[in-house]
Amino acid sequence: DIQLTQSPSFLSASVGDRVTIPCRASQGISRYLAWYQQKPGKAPKLLIYAASTLQSGVPSRFSGSGSGTEFTLTISSLQPEDFATYYCQQLNSYPRTFGQGTKVEIK
Amino acid sequence: QVQLQESGPGLVKPSETLSLTCTVSGGSVSSGSYYWSWIRQPPGKGLEWIGYIYYRGSTNYNPSLKSRVTISVDTSKNQFSLQLTSVTAADTAVYYCARDTGYGDPFDYWGQGTLLTVSS
Repeated sequence: DIQLTQSPSFLSASVGDRVTIPCRASQGISRYLAWYQQKPGKAPKLLIYAASTLQSGVPSRFSGSGSGTEFTLTISSLQPEDFATYYCQQLNSYPRTFGQGTKVEIK
Repeated sequence: QVQLQESGPGLVKPSETLSLTCTVSGGSVSSGSYYWSWIRQPPGKGLEWIGYIYYRGSTNYNPSLKSRVTISVDTSKNQFSLQLTSVTAADTAVYYCARDTGYGDPFDYWGQGTLLTVSS
């Protein structure tokens, strides 16, 4: 199985901050990576796929980058509605696996 | 707009079989374009992919659960289902159903999730 590591698990930030969330894969996955946002009691919401393609309807302050084993989700200017947990997911092979999540908290 | 809705008993006793159903609206499980998956999330923890079914009945399961999992599809009802045998407290989780194309694409539509508690 491909392991995805998200570190840190928790991140404190303020409204307006630029936030970067890393995700590292245990082996190369080309650009087969997605990012999801999850709020308490809700299903995950797709933000980005193919490492950097923004899902329709997702604000442009979200962006993704990387390939191979190193990936990053960036929020250019954190908004109040962005405080949530973010998960990366590899789409390269089965079983599909997710990172353990990074929770973005209010500083 | 595609919508997925999970349904299930809410509570299952240890050693019994868990059965959940996902009803799809606004789209068809018979579409050859999509794979239909189950994903779970224990309380306060991360996401675990359980497996998928394709409308023709082919399946792919997570090896960690493969010996206990069966996913089936009922095209007449536009539903797909999950059965998990010999459950323990470790199977307590929110269970989600979701859709993807299977070709390196993400889960673009998810159900809202249903909490399944294993307890005597």
